[in-house]
Amino acid sequence: SQQGEEDPQALSIQEGENATMNCSYKTSINNLQWYRQNSGRGLVHLILIRSNEREKHSGRLRVTLDTSKKSSSLLITASRAADTASYFCATETLNRDDKIIFGKGTRLHILP
Amino acid sequence: DAGVIQSPRHEVTEMGQEVTLRCKPISGHNSLFWYRQTMMRGLELLIYFNNNVPIDDSGMPEDRFSAKMPNASFSTLKIQPSEPRDSAVYFCASALRDQPQHFGDGTRLSIL
Repeated sequence: SQQGEEDPQALSIQEGENATMNCSYKTSINNLQWYRQNSGRGLVHLILIRSNEREKHSGRLRVTLDTSKKSSSLLITASRAADTASYFCATETLNRDDKIIFGKGTRLHILP
Repeated sequence: DAGVIQSPRHEVTEMGQEVTLRCKPISGHNSLFWYRQTMMRGLELLIYFNNNVPIDDSGMPEDRFSAKMPNASFSTLKIQPSEPRDSAVYFCASALRDQPQHFGDGTRLSIL
């Protein structure tokens, strides 16, 4: 089944630096979403980018989408300790059947 | 505004016992999703409902798993009989059509 695949699997950076995570997928999509999961908690939606959009911003988050390469990136600028979490991309297919498929995530650790 | 509520938060039981996980979606949401999360397989969609009707149960691993949604404000996921390999975190999520999903904090299930 179609699945987003995040890269890297794990990332450690110093507080204040920027963090970039990438997601690749296999087939055409309607939209791509990024979620965050803190330890022991459920996933929280961060941002949604539609297939006809190339870039989207929300606060310190910047998401890009390249449908020709079937890839997306999530950039977190000026990272904070509270950004330590796992980040997942999820894709909705052109079927628009309300189903989204999650990747296995990137574990981000912000060092003080 | 209450989010998605799952119960219990933790469940430890012996192999062979029946396990029932419960979910109360956000009021007004018309889609409900059950996921299972493990280190090995990541986040897997088990089943989802639209307007209380099961739409896709292709992710349900075996006949031992069943899910119901008797009304718009309640859903259950049942495992009978349970096995050690069912140990995982089970998430429920709800959404409005074409909107991002809202997750509960999950049920951590351990089958001994």
